[in-house]
Amino acid sequence: GAVVSQHPSRVICKSGTSVKIECRSLDFQATTMFWYRQFPKKSLMLMATSNEGSKATYEQGVEKDKFLINHASLTLSTLTVTSAHPEDSSFYICSARDREAASATHFGYGYTFGSGTRLTVV
Amino acid sequence: AQSVAQPEDQVNVAEGNPLTVKCTYSVSGNPYLFWYVQYPNRGLQFLLKYITGDNLVKGSYGFEAEFNKSQTSFHLKKPSALVSDSALYFCAVRDPFYGNNRLAFGKGNQVVVIP
Repeated sequence: GAVVSQHPSRVICKSGTSVKIECRSLDFQATTMFWYRQFPKKSLMLMATSNEGSKATYEQGVEKDKFLINHASLTLSTLTVTSAHPEDSSFYICSARDREAASATHFGYGYTFGSGTRLTVV
Repeated sequence: AQSVAQPEDQVNVAEGNPLTVKCTYSVSGNPYLFWYVQYPNRGLQFLLKYITGDNLVKGSYGFEAEFNKSQTSFHLKKPSALVSDSALYFCAVRDPFYGNNRLAFGKGNQVVVIP
C-alpha cells in the first residue's frame, strides 16, 4: 500500500533556531501534499497545501515566512519552521495525495498520512 | 464550505460491547466521507470511506459506517469493541464540488474501551 515517511518523529530545538521536517512518499507520486498542525486533544488544523513544482497555498492565519514549505519533487515535501518559538511546539503531520489512487477506490481514496513529528521548542 | 461535527469528546465503552462514534457533515454537493484512527504520537490511519454506492461501508479492523444522506450522518460502528480500539477517531469530509482536494476534519473523538 501507499506509504508516507515523515522524519524526524521527534525533535527538540532551541528557541530561535530552524527545524526542517521531511515528508516522503515511498512508493507513489504525490502531486499534492498537505501539512497539518495538531494541538493536544484537538483536531488537525490544515496549515498549507503544496503542489509539486509550485508555491504552497497557505491557510488563513498561517505565516508563510515562518512555515516554509517546499515541494520540489513528486516524492518529497519539506516544512521548515524558522526562528522557532515555544508556541510553535506541536505535533505536525503531513499527508500526501497519490495522483494515481486519487481516481481509484483504494488506499483511502489517495490520502496517506505520515506518522507525525513532535516538535518541542525550548 | 465543507465541515464535520463530532459531537462527543470522549466515548467510553466496555470491552465486548458495541461501539458507535458519531459524525455529521455539511457539504454543498455529494460528500466523500472518511474515518481515520490515530494512536498516540502517530499519524492517521485510514479505516474506511464512502464515495458512492452502498450506504453501509465496511472497513479495517471490523469497523463499519453507514452513510445517511437525509440525516447527513456517517456514524462509525463496531459490533464488539476491543481494548486495542482505544484511540482517537477522526471523521473527515471532502466536498468534490470545490475541487481543491482538501479534507475537513472533525475535532476527533477519544474512544476508551474499558476491560
